[in-house]
Amino acid sequence: QKEVEQDPGPLSVPEGAIVSLNCTYSNSAFQYFMWYRQYSRKGPELLMYTYSSGNKEDGRFTAQVDKSSKYISLFIRDSQPSDSATYLCAMRSSSNTGKLIFGQGTTLQVKP
Amino acid sequence: NAGVMQNPRHLVRRRGQEARLRCSPMKGHSHVYWYRQLPEEGLKFMVYLQKENIIDESGMPKERFSAEFPKEGPSILRIQQVVRGDSAAYFCASSPGTGSSYNEQFFGPGTRLTVL
Repeated sequence: QKEVEQDPGPLSVPEGAIVSLNCTYSNSAFQYFMWYRQYSRKGPELLMYTYSSGNKEDGRFTAQVDKSSKYISLFIRDSQPSDSATYLCAMRSSSNTGKLIFGQGTTLQVKP
Repeated sequence: NAGVMQNPRHLVRRRGQEARLRCSPMKGHSHVYWYRQLPEEGLKFMVYLQKENIIDESGMPKERFSAEFPKEGPSILRIQQVVRGDSAAYFCASSPGTGSSYNEQFFGPGTRLTVL
């Protein structure tokens, strides 16, 4: 079993829809949770960074962490064609290694 | 403010040759991480370095791979005697190491290695 599970999709939605992206994990030591966006043949871009449980909002993006269920989500409101990309969840423990464990990534397509 | 720089962006090597990948972290960042992304797979951690120190190399293959981050100059990921299975995108990330965002990792554009 992988430490972080993420449905690879693809997920296709119409422009303006609310998008929900999710990851589950098995390691209860994870404390830091991130979402990255990766366009084709580009490097990952940090979107959201959260510590422990709770919600964090930044513009059209909301990240949620539920540590009791080992489940994290990223919501995108008013989705745009420019949001079409692969979204990667990542997480790490509070140890000093800095090692991020990534999900496989979900490919999102927002159709005009 | 320049981001993480990686070069070359594309590298082609024949089996048995050496590959050297370079990473210059963001200005003010002293921590560097290397990840590998195989086709249709997520990013896999390889190694975490600070200046002149390897902090965690738990993701590095035991043979042929090495990494360094010297006091001066970029971090180098070196792959000796490359094989076709080494073909992948190699990403470098950096973090400040201090301050409120001390462990936020910012990624470079990657080096795409093709082994013929």
